[in-house]
Amino acid sequence: ILNVEQSPQSLHVQEGDSTNFTCSFPSSNFYALHWYRWETAKSPEALFVMTLNGDEKKKGRISATLNTKEGYSYLYIKGSQPEDSATYLCAPVAGNTGKLIFGQGTTLQVKP
Amino acid sequence: ETGVTQTPRHLVMGMTNKKSLKCEQHLGHNAMYWYKQSAKKPLELMFVYSLEERVENNSVPSRFSPECPNSSHLFLHLHTLQPEDSALYLCASSPTFALYYEQYFGPGTRLTVT
Repeated sequence: ILNVEQSPQSLHVQEGDSTNFTCSFPSSNFYALHWYRWETAKSPEALFVMTLNGDEKKKGRISATLNTKEGYSYLYIKGSQPEDSATYLCAPVAGNTGKLIFGQGTTLQVKP
Repeated sequence: ETGVTQTPRHLVMGMTNKKSLKCEQHLGHNAMYWYKQSAKKPLELMFVYSLEERVENNSVPSRFSPECPNSSHLFLHLHTLQPEDSALYLCASSPTFALYYEQYFGPGTRLTVT
């Protein structure tokens, strides 16, 4: 069973601040890692699926990096906006099962 | 709009009731999933269907019974639930049951068992 840790648990920033959070997971048997964004009262929305060590992905102001050897992924948001307020979930894939194991998430609140 | 719909959005049921949750995806995907999120806990996988066959049953009690009549529809039949089963139940789909495809989630059903 994968132990997935996300930190911090919650974060409050001002509009325009850049921020980052961490997802830690066991490095053995790595297959892929998913990042999702979940706004209140909406459906979780996929941001990235990452598979290779050293992968860097970007979507607008949001980017992510992956280190499979040490078992972590960072999510960065540049110039946070109020609409970025959401819970960000990471989910490494448990072995060769296609089963995502979700972390508790990091809840971001961006104040105007 | 993610292309995945769930009904009902809210459900209150007694412990002796039988009810069903419905999920429908309009994306042409071949894999569908049920997840549960209890208060203060991470999303937890319950069941996976690939091409209408169950490929994963994550040690879920038998009072939860999934059904996948075709690749567009997924049901979760509920009977004799317990108050601790109160949670948000999310459905998701992906193009195939594979490691590298993102999953598309529905908005969830908020279930309260009284």
